Parts: sequence; structure tokens; C-alpha cells
Amino acid sequence: GAGVSQSPRYKVAKRGQDVALRCDPISGHVSLFWYQQALGQGPEFLTYFQNEAQLDKSGLPSDRFFAERPEGSVSTLKIQRTQQEDSAVYLCASSLAGGGKSNQPQHFGDGTRLSIL
Amino acid sequence: SQKIEQNSEALNIQEGKTATLTCNYTNYSPAYLQWYRQDPGRGPVFLLLIRENEKEKRKERLKVTFDTTLKQSLFHITASQPADSATYLCAREGENSGYALNFGKGTSLLVTP
Repeated sequence: GAGVSQSPRYKVAKRGQDVALRCDPISGHVSLFWYQQALGQGPEFLTYFQNEAQLDKSGLPSDRFFAERPEGSVSTLKIQRTQQEDSAVYLCASSLAGGGKSNQPQHFGDGTRLSIL
Repeated sequence: SQKIEQNSEALNIQEGKTATLTCNYTNYSPAYLQWYRQDPGRGPVFLLLIRENEKEKRKERLKVTFDTTLKQSLFHITASQPADSATYLCAREGENSGYALNFGKGTSLLVTP
């Protein structure tokens, strides 16, 4: 597709369940990012991939959060044993080149809105 | 702690006027600032990037300035239109990870006819 695609758009889960969120970046984009956006806040960085390598996972809130990009294209963000505080919009973004400073635009998907009951 | 601050209040202006949004940052100085637009239920959309050695950048009705002395960027929309109503986000690269973006909370802009 032309843009970054995320699925599902909405996810409701009960506390304690595991969830998996998918991101299809723009074809050929080397860099892939996950952000978490709480209501009324800006996106907060979670993790960064350059191709299949996860170079930075410093923003992941806990070890319940896990991300992968095994073939350097599609990425999955998994949250285990979900808690109510995990409720947020999870945004995926991609950019063309890898590494270096953020001197490139990031192309965002429309996010997955996760609600934990 | 890393901090990037934007107008805390929503900005309401009349169609045709110029909207000015403020982005202030503390601690480290970024090499770049980026501005994004976000509509409800949608992801951010890139608008402009300005480098620290650029004082001003323009794109159609948009203008961004970058003052490294004041640690501030201003974002202007001239001849505003109701379709410009959205939340505008300012972002700089993370201090320890140059590729990740450190966003402000955003400023909500409402342009009324």
C-alpha cells in the first residue's frame, strides 16, 4: 500500500490477556518505530528497528512489552498480561533510511487504539 | 528530564488570520525540529523540518522559525482556513537516540469561519 498500515484499528482486551498489534510499513523503508500516545499527549517513543535489528528498546515500559520485525518489513508489538495503564493508542512509523539523526520525516500509521478493561 | 513544551491552551482564531503556535525546549538543543499535524483518530502527518542553522523555512502557507538562543520554534499558518483545524505537534530528536522523536503534547488549533 501507499502508507503505513496498522491492524487492528481497535482492540479491547481484558486485564491479564495478551495482545498483538501489527504494523505494515511503507515498502522499502529501513527504519521502523513504535510510539505510545495517551489521550491528550504527544507520542512517546517505545522502540526502533533498522531492518530486522532492534537497535533501541529503551522506551518499552516493562518487560511485558515485546516487539519484533523478523524479516525487516512487518513488525508486531506484543503486550503480555495487559494492565489498564496499557490503554493508549499505539502508533507505528517508518522512514526511508536508517541510523543517524532524525533528519527525515517519519510516516505514521493511524494507530491501534487499545482499551484494557 | 527531556522536555518540549507547546502552547498549553487551545488556539481559536478566525478564518483568514495568521495562527502562531509556539514550541519551547529545555536541556539539550536539537539539530532538527519537525512539525506534524494530527487529526482526531489519525496518525501524525509530517509538515516541515527545520535545521538548527536555518532561521526560517516556508512551505505554501506554512512558516517555521528556529531560534536556538531562545530555544524556541514558532509555527505560522497564514490565511488560515477551517480545514487547518487540527492538533499540531512539535518534535525534536531524542537526546540519546538521534533517530527517535521526542514530541510535545501538541496544540489544538480551531479555525472558525
